[in-house]
Amino acid sequence: KQEVTQIPAALSVPEGENLVLNCSFTDSAIYNLQWFRQDPGKGLTSLLLIQSSQREQTSGRLNASLDKSSGRSTLYIAASQPGDSATYLCAVFQGGSEKLVFGKGTKLTVNP
Amino acid sequence: AAGVIQSPRHLIKEKRETATLKCYPIPRHDTVYWYQQGPGQDPQFLISFYEKMQSDKGSIPDRFSAQQFSDYHSELNMSSLELGDSALYFCASSLGSGGVGGYTFGSGTRLTVV
Repeated sequence: KQEVTQIPAALSVPEGENLVLNCSFTDSAIYNLQWFRQDPGKGLTSLLLIQSSQREQTSGRLNASLDKSSGRSTLYIAASQPGDSATYLCAVFQGGSEKLVFGKGTKLTVNP
Repeated sequence: AAGVIQSPRHLIKEKRETATLKCYPIPRHDTVYWYQQGPGQDPQFLISFYEKMQSDKGSIPDRFSAQQFSDYHSELNMSSLELGDSALYFCASSLGSGGVGGYTFGSGTRLTVV
């Protein structure tokens, strides 16, 4: 059974800092991994999608890497801003099932 | 760009009542997924449909049912509501089964059962 773990569960940083969020998964046989952002009580906004054949994806100040063999992904946020404060969720799609398996998220607070 | 549209945004129901949640996928997306997110929890997969047929089933209670219509929109019907059904319900869509192209989620319906 696939399990997704995100570390840390919460992170508080000053504005301008570069930071890394970690995601690990137990079964490396995945088709893709997706990072989402969720504001309190709101929907899930897709940030980056990495296919299993890819090593990384970039969008603006965000960079996500994938090491499928070791079951790890990182989300790098450069020059963090207070508007980046949210919960970041990592989810893997494995195949053999239609569902995404989510981690419990990292709650990020960027202080002005 | 068009996104996944869910209605209503908020819904308050009493115990034992029935609720219907609607989801309109991104145009040309043929696969719809439903997720439930309880307070402080990660989203849990309920059910999915590909080309109007159920394609997978997760931890969906027997009191819940869903379908996808000819225009690809989907409805989640919830009967005999319980207090524990209070949650955010998300719909997502993708092009093709298997989520290979990634999921796009709607903004969710917040259901409160009182």
